[in-house]
Amino acid sequence: DGGITQSPKYLFRKEGQNVTLSCEQNLNHDAMYWYRQDPGQGLRLIYYSQIVNDFQKGDIAEGYSVSREKKESFPLTVTSAQKNPTAFYLCASSWGDMRYEQYFGPGTRLTVT
Amino acid sequence: AQSVTQLGSHVSVSEGALVLLRCNYSSSVPPYLFWYVQYPNQGLQLLLKYTSAATLVKGINGFEAEFKKSETSFHLTKPSAHMSDAAEYFCAVRQTGANNLFFGTGTRLTVIP
Repeated sequence: DGGITQSPKYLFRKEGQNVTLSCEQNLNHDAMYWYRQDPGQGLRLIYYSQIVNDFQKGDIAEGYSVSREKKESFPLTVTSAQKNPTAFYLCASSWGDMRYEQYFGPGTRLTVT
Repeated sequence: AQSVTQLGSHVSVSEGALVLLRCNYSSSVPPYLFWYVQYPNQGLQLLLKYTSAATLVKGINGFEAEFKKSETSFHLTKPSAHMSDAAEYFCAVRQTGANNLFFGTGTRLTVIP
């Protein structure tokens, strides 16, 4: 089945540690995205990538980093510089044409204590 | 710049009653508009999309939305609510010149038996 996978579903880390969230898609989509979701704030864009080896900052990129070495993979690293990292993180992908919708993964809930 | 406003963070309806979830957008050019649904601790699933074809768009699970340029609205409706419709609903607009979406803050729908 085609789709987007995110792992793990739940992640717990101590403050000061970097953590990497996985996102893989087998839809052959060109573009991939990372969003952060907090209660009452909807989804906010962290980073996006329209092609391999290229990515752009979204609205809240500070304290995060990404890479896009392969078309199907777009891992997100939450660094110790992110002041409030506890949140639900969603990865998405889409065709490059603006008419097409984004497909979302099941999300990773990160808790940092 | 594009933006989306969802009026009402919480909406409650009785089972069998009409569902109306409001979305207004601001855009300097004709937008691409989307409605997504999110069940607890899951990713987002596309309900329907407007891409400048028919103004009345039919989606999955009996939902539909009407694009009204004069009112800059894209409200989501369903004639008869089911218990399974209880979820959070997000309206989104595609940003001009980019593939990323701008999301509203969401409306949580409760269906009362």
